[in-house]
Amino acid sequence: GAGVSQSPSNKVTEKGKDVELRCDPISGHTALYWYRQSLGQGLEFLIYFQGNSAPDKSGLPSDRFSAERTGGSVSTLTIQRTQQEDSAVYLCASSFGQASYNEQFFGPGTRLTVL
Amino acid sequence: ELKVEQNPLFLSMQEGKNYTIYCNYSTTSDRLYWYRQDPGKSLESLFVLLSNGAVKQEGRLMASLDTKARLSTLHITAAVHDLSATYFCAGQGAQKLVFGQGTRLTINP
Repeated sequence: GAGVSQSPSNKVTEKGKDVELRCDPISGHTALYWYRQSLGQGLEFLIYFQGNSAPDKSGLPSDRFSAERTGGSVSTLTIQRTQQEDSAVYLCASSFGQASYNEQFFGPGTRLTVL
Repeated sequence: ELKVEQNPLFLSMQEGKNYTIYCNYSTTSDRLYWYRQDPGKSLESLFVLLSNGAVKQEGRLMASLDTKARLSTLHITAAVHDLSATYFCAGQGAQKLVFGQGTRLTINP
């Protein structure tokens, strides 16, 4: 079956521009996560959605970052007024139900480069 | 707050040798994961360890978990070049994964 998909695979943008990154989770998975992988910070959690519950935004680094999940499926991560330190690979993962009990499966990632 | 530390961060070894990557974590973790990442690729799940004393093996890789010592190990037996990659361990902190820094493994012929 299809895995987690993300688009675009690569995004180059200029400092100050807004970007949107998309994640399509595995069909039937109710939980969706965003992580960021950068040279300086390693792999870090950003945000978590579970069903209709309020998302856990505790990992978002600043108010320039936001995410939404429409219809309990597709998610969009938006970065406003991008900065060079936002350059990283953004990974999306999904799981069937709560992560405490279910493994997370990762997508291929979006490589963001801010010039 | 859960913190996860791996060592070593870099490991260069010869084919045919054995080695172990260590993963220490700071507080109780529901489960412990090992992932492999090839350059430019995403994370590939290797093992999920659920309980104290758990041991899982796949080919030349074996992972174990000691919850009392808060330690997991990934043992490589008779390494081959194809195992060259970066290996991450991750603990379960509530609903999110907390990753170690990663171990970049290079296996030389």
